[in-house]
Amino acid sequence: SYELTQPPSVSVSPGQTARITCSGDALPRKDAYWYQQKSGQAPVLVIYEDRKRPSGIPERFSGSSSGTMATLTISGAQVEDEADYYCYSTDISGNHRGVFGGGTTLTVL
Amino acid sequence: EVQLVESGGGVVQPGGSLRLSCVGSGFTFDDYTMHWVRQAPGKGLEWVSRINWDGGGTYYVDSVKGRFTISRDNRKNSLYLQMKSLRTEDTALYFCARESATSEAFDIWGQGTMVTVSS
Repeated sequence: SYELTQPPSVSVSPGQTARITCSGDALPRKDAYWYQQKSGQAPVLVIYEDRKRPSGIPERFSGSSSGTMATLTISGAQVEDEADYYCYSTDISGNHRGVFGGGTTLTVL
Repeated sequence: EVQLVESGGGVVQPGGSLRLSCVGSGFTFDDYTMHWVRQAPGKGLEWVSRINWDGGGTYYVDSVKGRFTISRDNRKNSLYLQMKSLRTEDTALYFCARESATSEAFDIWGQGTMVTVSS
């Protein structure tokens, strides 16, 4: 089955740039989506279609994709950005199945 | 206000059944593809199932195929997940999520309903 791979954790100091990667064989042909989940809350979409930012999401959140890797970048990370981040995409086989990466815990301290 | 509200979770024995519901409000429900996503305690998100706007296409993760059935009643603005032959590994918080009209993004999520499979 199709898999997306993320690092388990990333740690930065406030104001630094955090980068979270997501690798998957189908990413050259399928869009990546990024979700932020804070403790005890439902996930929130922060990046869609590789690099687009929904309204209401701060400009410090950006996305990119190259080859088999998508990247979520938080420029000038803030303490309130501490959360779990998940990438999501769909299987290229045309079976419309979704898949999430294992998630990355971002620590900002 | 656009929102999704899940219900129907609970404690069930292995091999048992449960039906989850998700009611949408504040938007035209039958304009949207809907999904179920689950999260086991302390674990990551797992996509479970998808249903097209008219119920004409349904899709499942391999681990629930043949045991779970997704359906919808657009007259009631409702999404369902019928779960049978439940296993302990199905224990999770189950979220319903709306797929954006213009991309595959999940733009609206419910708060989830907890399913515990335990003897």
